Amino acid sequence: KNQVEQSPQSLIILEGKNCTLQCNYTVSPFSNLRWYKQDTGRGPVSLTIMTFSENTKSNGRYTATLDADTKQSSLHITASQLSDSASYICVVSPTDGGSQGNLIFGKGTKLSVKP
Amino acid sequence: DTAVSQTPKYLVTQMGNDKSIKCEQNLGHDTMYWYKQDSKKFLKIMFSYNNKELIINETVPNRFSPKSPDKAHLNLHINSLELGDSAVYFCASSQGLMGGVGYTFGSGTRLTVV
Repeated sequence: KNQVEQSPQSLIILEGKNCTLQCNYTVSPFSNLRWYKQDTGRGPVSLTIMTFSENTKSNGRYTATLDADTKQSSLHITASQLSDSASYICVVSPTDGGSQGNLIFGKGTKLSVKP
Repeated sequence: DTAVSQTPKYLVTQMGNDKSIKCEQNLGHDTMYWYKQDSKKFLKIMFSYNNKELIINETVPNRFSPKSPDKAHLNLHINSLELGDSAVYFCASSQGLMGGVGYTFGSGTRLTVV
């Protein structure tokens, strides 16, 4: 069964600190893996997208890594800011379209950055 | 310019009513979707429309019916609303069925059924 599991479920860090969010998936084969940021009351916004052959992708202070052998991905946030407070969702796109069509969503990690 | 726009942003209605949520995208994408995000924040796909044809219909009650007048619009009509329909509904669009690079979400419609 295609699944995407994220950890931790929630995380509180102080402004300026770094943090790493984890994503484990069982989707195989897959086309790409994405990380989305969803602010409260808003739709998800794409941060990074990686194909199965890529190991890392950066977008400003966000760096995503992918290990296709262990089926793990991480999102590292450097020098966190208050505006980083949001839910971060790991999403995998199965090659065959998957049972849900094309994207398998994790339940997200809720990050709170405190001053 | 807003790429994927939904209206209304908030909708409060009584049980048993019929309501519609509208979605429009100006990205030139050929595929549009509706997602439901429940209180646990888990996003679940409801429908996909590609070139005006319904291609995915998950186990969604037939009280929900997507309507696409053209490839830039995908509206969601809901009949006989129930308390359990309360959630945030997101529209999205992409180029192609496989959810390519341009997969873009709208800002959501918060539906509250009382």
